[in-house]
Amino acid sequence: EAGVAQSPRYKIIEKRQSVAFWCNPISGHATLYWYQQILGQGPKLLIQFQNNGVVDDSQLPKDRFSAERLKGVDSTLKIQPAKLEDSAVYLCASSLGSPGIRISPLHFGNGTRLTVT
Amino acid sequence: GQQLNQSPQSMFIQEGEDVSMNCTSSSIFNTWLWYKQEPGEGPVLLIALYKAGELTSNGRLTAQFGITRKDSFLNISASIPSDVGIYFCAGQIGSARQLTFGSGTQLTVLP
Repeated sequence: EAGVAQSPRYKIIEKRQSVAFWCNPISGHATLYWYQQILGQGPKLLIQFQNNGVVDDSQLPKDRFSAERLKGVDSTLKIQPAKLEDSAVYLCASSLGSPGIRISPLHFGNGTRLTVT
Repeated sequence: GQQLNQSPQSMFIQEGEDVSMNCTSSSIFNTWLWYKQEPGEGPVLLIALYKAGELTSNGRLTAQFGITRKDSFLNISASIPSDVGIYFCAGQIGSARQLTFGSGTQLTVLP
């Protein structure tokens, strides 16, 4: 099965510029996640979608970050305007999204490494 | 937010040695997942645990879901150079719909 696809792999921008990341989850996976991973740390959840609805965006800096998942498949994450502290790897993950209490294992893409100068 | 304490932060071992790392928390978990991340790649799932006391193996890797439901450990036996990477634990706290990740254990295997 094809894995989670992300693009671009790398992006370098200046502060105050805008940037967008794209994710295509594993086919059939209802749940899609965006994580931010700062160097030396574990991934931190930014936003979680179930189909095309937002389940959790409590840790998304909404003044500058936005995300959408139109049609419940692909997703884009945008940062506008970027700050120096946004330099990180942005990981997309997907899961089957089980209806019960337990989380299905997440499958990650290879991420987009963002450098803000 | 919720915290997972993962230790050790880094390990340097000789090829052939066994390795053990663990994650602890003050919260009760319903699910524990162990991932490995190599440079330039996303985390890859190694083992998933769903019941207190559960012990699961995947080749030379063995992980356990602690009886108290507040901890988990991962063992790697007879380490080889390709075991190098960062190992993360991730857990589902209660009925939360998200995973909380540990800060990772950087493993280096010396020939």
